[in-house]
Amino acid sequence: QVQLQESGAGLVKPSQTLSLTCAVSGVSISSADFSWSWIRQAPGRGLEWIGYIYRNGNNYYNPSLKSRVTISLDRSKNQFSLKVTSVTAADTAVYYCARGGPIYGMDVWGQGTTATVSS
Amino acid sequence: QSALTQPPSASGSPGQSVTISCTGTSSDIGEYNYVSWYQQHPGKAPKLIIYEVTKRPSGVPDRFSGSKSGNTASLTVSGLQTDDEADYYCSSHAGINNPYVFGTGTKVTVL
Repeated sequence: QVQLQESGAGLVKPSQTLSLTCAVSGVSISSADFSWSWIRQAPGRGLEWIGYIYRNGNNYYNPSLKSRVTISLDRSKNQFSLKVTSVTAADTAVYYCARGGPIYGMDVWGQGTTATVSS
Repeated sequence: QSALTQPPSASGSPGQSVTISCTGTSSDIGEYNYVSWYQQHPGKAPKLIIYEVTKRPSGVPDRFSGSKSGNTASLTVSGLQTDDEADYYCSSHAGINNPYVFGTGTKVTVL
């Protein structure tokens, strides 16, 4: 059974970097032919796709966030990570990691983790 | 990157059907057969219920069905049940420079 679990700092100061990790169990991110995605949802708002990464390390980002976002793989720990730089209050959201991407949909999701940007 | 357009709300009585539209452009829904739909209950992570326009993941009841015509995709929920009350989001591939876009979301109420 594939499971994903987000972790990371819940409170981040404005202008700093938000860092989150998604631990994957039940499948190897190195061998499975999947992409691995990050999505966020601001309070009371809809879903916003952030980006995804393939097992070969190629990644694709939301054009509106591309200059501030980095998604990377850690094959030794079977996890992938998200960094968002220069955060503002607009980055306050529940952040989800998920398996899959735009072609076949995202079929396994983490429970989500709340990130709040505040001084 | 513009979100796909969905009606804010839809409703139906138990046992009835409800259809949700998702309108995009010729660069996303109209170009690709990679439309997905997600169901999200309050406080929960989204759940994939339709992918590649019409396909259902294992375990999703056949009461959920998807279709597409031109730049508009649709999700139909037949035989409404109380547990179907949730937010529903469509999504589509939109090309290599703009890979993925979500819809604005529709809140379905079971009367």
